[in-house]
Parts: sequence; structure tokens; C-alpha cells
Amino acid sequence: DIVMTQSPDSLAVSLGERATINCKSSQSVLKSSNSRNYLAWYQQKSGQPPKLLIYWASNRESGVPDRFSGSGSGTDFTLTISSLQTEDVAVYYCQQYYSTPLTFGGGTKVEIK
Amino acid sequence: EVQVVESGGDLLQPGGSLRLSCAGSGFTFSTYWMHWVRQVPGKGLVWISRINGDGSITTYADSVRGRFTISRDNAKNTVYLQMDSLRAEDTAVYYCVKSPVSGNCFDSWGQGTLVTVSS
Repeated sequence: DIVMTQSPDSLAVSLGERATINCKSSQSVLKSSNSRNYLAWYQQKSGQPPKLLIYWASNRESGVPDRFSGSGSGTDFTLTISSLQTEDVAVYYCQQYYSTPLTFGGGTKVEIK
Repeated sequence: EVQVVESGGDLLQPGGSLRLSCAGSGFTFSTYWMHWVRQVPGKGLVWISRINGDGSITTYADSVRGRFTISRDNAKNTVYLQMDSLRAEDTAVYYCVKSPVSGNCFDSWGQGTLVTVSS
């Protein structure tokens, strides 16, 4: 199984400042045949289901604000919120879809400082 | 608008059985992989099963293999999760989730249905 490890577990960021969340996979999720990283990011607000933010490691889902961006390749990935807004308070998860079982990171809670 | 709506959650005793249903709308249901993902309240997300568009391929997490069965009825735009030999550790919110055409990430989530297993 591919283990996904997120860091930090939580972070508090001032409004308008940058938030950075890291995700590391126990093996590469880059498929050489298509040069795609099978890595997604989700946002889960309190009391709601998760919402897809980023897929293929860096592609923003339709309707997602451009302050959210994903980067990385192979085993190391980052979700960046360039200018934190109050509505971004949530738990963020990474997920690999390179192989089954499909696995998630443990989540990173983002709060306002 | 794409929607997935789960139903069937309940409170039941260990060893019991339950069938969850998930109705999809707003998309060509038979084209897409569908999944079940669960979450213990306050904890993280755990994928448990998937089924391809025509129902010919199913995959399970080790924790549920042999106890849970995923199926679908494309005429009814519905996917099911039959849960047998339930344990206390199966207590969770169960989400029905749709994948996009390419790649098994999860682009549409239901609101979830709560399954509680307790004596």
C-alpha cells in the first residue's frame, strides 16, 4: 500500500498570508507512460463532505479559486494557498490514485492566526 | 448538475447487515467509476471500495474484503454497498463518490450517510 504522510498536522496563518501543506508518498505516484502524477488534494469544511481542489498534482478543478495551487512530482507534493481567506478554514487531504488501495494523507487543519 | 445522494444508514448491532444505496444524477452514470469512502467522525478519510462503469470490475480495501459487496444498477443510476458481518469499527459516515473519466480521484461527493454499529 502507498502511505501518504502530510505535514504539518495543523497550521495557523494570518489572513492574506501564504499557507503551505506538504504531502509525501511512500513510493512514486508518477506514471512514466503518461508523465502524470496520480495525486489529488481535497478541502473539507466542518460538517461538509470533501471537495476536490487539485488533480494530477497541479490541475485546479473548475471553480476553485486561483489562490489554490498544487506542485511537486514523484513522492513530494505541496498545496499552497497564496493568500489565506476566512473561507479557507478547513482540513486538507492529499490522495494518491496511482494504485489500489486508494489512500489519503492524515489531513492538515488550517486555521486563522 | 452532478449529484450523488446516499441513503440507508442506520444503527445496528455487531454481526448485522445493511445495504447502502447511492443515486446518481446529472451525468451519464454508466460511464463512471463509483466508490465508497468512509470517515469516522473527527477522523480521516478511508477508501473502501470501487466499481467500474459496467460493474465488471470491483476492488476492496483489505478491511472490508469478504464482508462488503459493491454493485450497481445502471438502469436505476444507483450503486450499492452491501455490508455484512458488521463490526464496531465499521462505524462511520459513508460517502458515495464519483470519479472523473480519467483517473480515480473523486470529483463529486454525496453528503454521506451514518452507519453506527453498537450493542
